[in-house]
Amino acid sequence: KAGVTQTPRYLIKTRGQQVTLSCSPISGHRSVSWYQQTPGQGLQFLFEYFSETQRNKGNFPGRFSGRQFSNSRSEMNVSTLELGDSALYLCASSLSQGGSTDTQYFGPGTRLTVL
Amino acid sequence: AQSVTQLDSHVSVSEGTPVLLRCNYSSSYSPSLFWYVQHPNKGLQLLLKYTSAATLVKGINGFEAEFKKSETSFHLTKPSAHMSDAAEYFCVVSEDAGKSTFGDGTTLTVKP
Repeated sequence: KAGVTQTPRYLIKTRGQQVTLSCSPISGHRSVSWYQQTPGQGLQFLFEYFSETQRNKGNFPGRFSGRQFSNSRSEMNVSTLELGDSALYLCASSLSQGGSTDTQYFGPGTRLTVL
Repeated sequence: AQSVTQLDSHVSVSEGTPVLLRCNYSSSYSPSLFWYVQHPNKGLQLLLKYTSAATLVKGINGFEAEFKKSETSFHLTKPSAHMSDAAEYFCVVSEDAGKSTFGDGTTLTVKP
């Protein structure tokens, strides 16, 4: 089975622009979560989507948004980019059979650099 | 609310010696606990997970972890370190499907 894929792998943007990142989950997985990884803040949860609905949300400003399509693929959007948004953005998928025991499988990440 | 504390930001061992990476957690419920490894410029790989079936959990590459509820700990161990084990390790707690809280990570260095 193919793993979680993320595109693009690398992005360079300038402040004020917006960006869209894409994530394709493992086939059959219905939950997609997004995380931001930075040297200063570590790995932080952004949000989770299940059946095209946002089910969980972290403590990020409204500039960060996402969506999920009927085939479970997900996109994440960041508007009005700031220098501090430079990070590795990781996507994870899980079967979401219910409860906390689901294992999340991570993609390789998208490295976003904001100049 | 859930939280995770990895007690050491850096651990250095010699090849062939034991590895101990320490993790304490806090959770209002009976959480699931995970250890992930991240090699440089790579994604996160699952090492093992605890889901209340057995307190001693065996993972990949010879790693194991013991869940101790009384100590709220989930330390990761390996009897003999290999050079390829050098990486960053994350302890993770999950109360809710799809939402995980990560520790700050422990960088493991393995000296020849």
